[in-house]
Amino acid sequence: KAGVTQTPRYLIKTRGQQVTLSCSPISGHRSVSWYQQTPGQGLQFLFEYFSETQRNKGNFPGRFSGRQFSNSRSEMNVSTLELGDSALYLCASSLAGGDRSPLHFGNGTRLTVT
Amino acid sequence: KNEVEQSPQNLTAQEGEFITINCSYSVGISALHWLQQHPGGGIVSLFMLSSGKKKHGRLIATINIQEKHSSLHITASHPRDSAVYICGAKGGAQKLVFGQGTRLTINP
Repeated sequence: KAGVTQTPRYLIKTRGQQVTLSCSPISGHRSVSWYQQTPGQGLQFLFEYFSETQRNKGNFPGRFSGRQFSNSRSEMNVSTLELGDSALYLCASSLAGGDRSPLHFGNGTRLTVT
Repeated sequence: KNEVEQSPQNLTAQEGEFITINCSYSVGISALHWLQQHPGGGIVSLFMLSSGKKKHGRLIATINIQEKHSSLHITASHPRDSAVYICGAKGGAQKLVFGQGTRLTINP
């Protein structure tokens, strides 16, 4: 069974630009969640989707958004990039959400904003 | 005060030692996750638990709901156990909040 796939693996963007990251969950998983990891703040929750609906959202500005498609694939978008958005962005899929089934993480997208 | 606190932040031990990493949380939770991250590597989910105790190989996770505390134990530690261990509590508003991680180094 294929794992969680995130694309691209690495990305370099300029301040002010926008970026879209993609996450393909494990087949059959209906929940996808997104996380930001930085050396200073550690791992932080961005949002969680289940069957195309956002179930909850972390404490990030509105520049961070996401969506989930009918095939459970998910994208997250960051607009008007800031230097502080440089981070490893991880997605995780689960059968039914992080309170009912384990999380399976992708390898992440490393975003560098210059 | 963070909603999820881990201790210790760093831990160095000799191969074969019994390891304990602690996680305390301040909110009511529906699930507690233990994650492992090797240097430069991805994150692997070790346990998800909401009560009691779970065991997988040399790893054991326990949770005390009343005391809002969870522990991760590693028996017969090995250098390949060297990694960052992160606990995450899924609580209020179904948000997942993480501790700052415990960096474990096992020397041969």
